[in-house]
Amino acid sequence: SQQGEEDPQALSIQEGENATMNCSYKTSINNLQWYRQNSGRGLVHLILIRSNEREKHSGRLRVTLDTSKKSSSLLITASRAADTASYFCATQIIQGAQKLVFGQGTRLTINP
Amino acid sequence: GAVVSQHPSRVICKSGTSVKIECRSLDFQATTMFWYRQFPKKSLMLMATSNEGSKATYEQGVEKDKFLINHASLTLSTLTVTSAHPEDSSFYICSASPGTYNSPLHFGNGTRLTVT
Repeated sequence: SQQGEEDPQALSIQEGENATMNCSYKTSINNLQWYRQNSGRGLVHLILIRSNEREKHSGRLRVTLDTSKKSSSLLITASRAADTASYFCATQIIQGAQKLVFGQGTRLTINP
Repeated sequence: GAVVSQHPSRVICKSGTSVKIECRSLDFQATTMFWYRQFPKKSLMLMATSNEGSKATYEQGVEKDKFLINHASLTLSTLTVTSAHPEDSSFYICSASPGTYNSPLHFGNGTRLTVT
């Protein structure tokens, strides 16, 4: 079964706007990771945030983690058409032996 | 960055035949590899975890005799779909871990399997 729930399931915005995606999970984690998937392709790692971290930045990406609420958010600022993809959060659980359990994903469309 | 090569990218086979998918870590040693299955517009479902030199650990509901996994070396894992049926048609993705704690996984580009 999936660990994470993401919302929204689909998001369509105009180029230049910011996009925010949310992820909730159920069990205690080592870390939470965000990945991007272009249609029909593998996954590309974006950011890893550890359970003792609250916020992390990478370029136009900002990830927050609230372990008390078991939730995370991914913010993409100044979106570009090339950001169009599906975005997945994945949790590495404490007893998980490094395996990742993925959320349902958010399909992001950036309209030019 | 770490590269994982998955082959083939697409395969079409007839019902009853077997298909082998390879997953190679090109520039690092992968102590653990994971195999995922993804249905259209859905999330990734973990099928099994394979460790080099030992038997794979399958997730609940995944038939180990149907999906044979071999991890013979630190750079190669294979998934064989045996006696394929149309319902096995899916997108299969492998990922590899160098074994470092709190490190991301590196994914192959996936294999689109179509069983006719």
